[in-house]
Amino acid sequence: DGGITQSPKYLFRKEGQNVTLSCEQNLNHDAMYWYRQDPGQGLRLIYYSQIVNDFQKGDIAEGYSVSREKKESFPLTVTSAQKNPTAFYLCASSIGVGATDTQYFGPGTRLTVL
Amino acid sequence: SQQGEEDPQALSIQEGENATMNCSYKTSINNLQWYRQNSGRGLVHLILIRSNEREKHSGRLRVTLDTSKKSSSLLITASRAADTASYFCATDARDDKIIFGKGTRLHILP
Repeated sequence: DGGITQSPKYLFRKEGQNVTLSCEQNLNHDAMYWYRQDPGQGLRLIYYSQIVNDFQKGDIAEGYSVSREKKESFPLTVTSAQKNPTAFYLCASSIGVGATDTQYFGPGTRLTVL
Repeated sequence: SQQGEEDPQALSIQEGENATMNCSYKTSINNLQWYRQNSGRGLVHLILIRSNEREKHSGRLRVTLDTSKKSSSLLITASRAADTASYFCATDARDDKIIFGKGTRLHILP
């Protein structure tokens, strides 16, 4: 999984709770991403960050929040406002945000709402 | 806002056979990437092909790109059990970011 770690691997949440998913990389990459993957679906971009202290909304940012206080870390918080949060969440990083930059993915966190 | 779409959705072949999967896209691209995802894991980059290239090879992988038909194909030769995975194409889109398709699930039968 190329220097990107995600924790926990499995996460269970009760309705109404916020949860934070961790993503750390030691590849010295500037860009980091969060994707959501549902069964039979491709990856959908939640948020991405090109540089520390800056991040941009992706296609499905509602109900999620992120921070980028350190280059190595890009945690994702799934808030109670996210109506259907049960999914597989993938974090990735790349040297830059350009479309030719290879993305390196973490192993993923599977979130289940009870 | 899906750009690339893989075909078929699922494919089962005997070990040793070749596997071909296709990706079609809607708008012009500068490059196209293929990724592999083993079950329950993250994606792994396989190969990138630029719009001015027609074919690229990497080991047992061969990727072609036909910009006139807005399509790409990924060929895996002499398939192995370890090739069982989902394969995604990713195309560049607005804002210079990439968009992933829904993937082809490949199952190699022993």
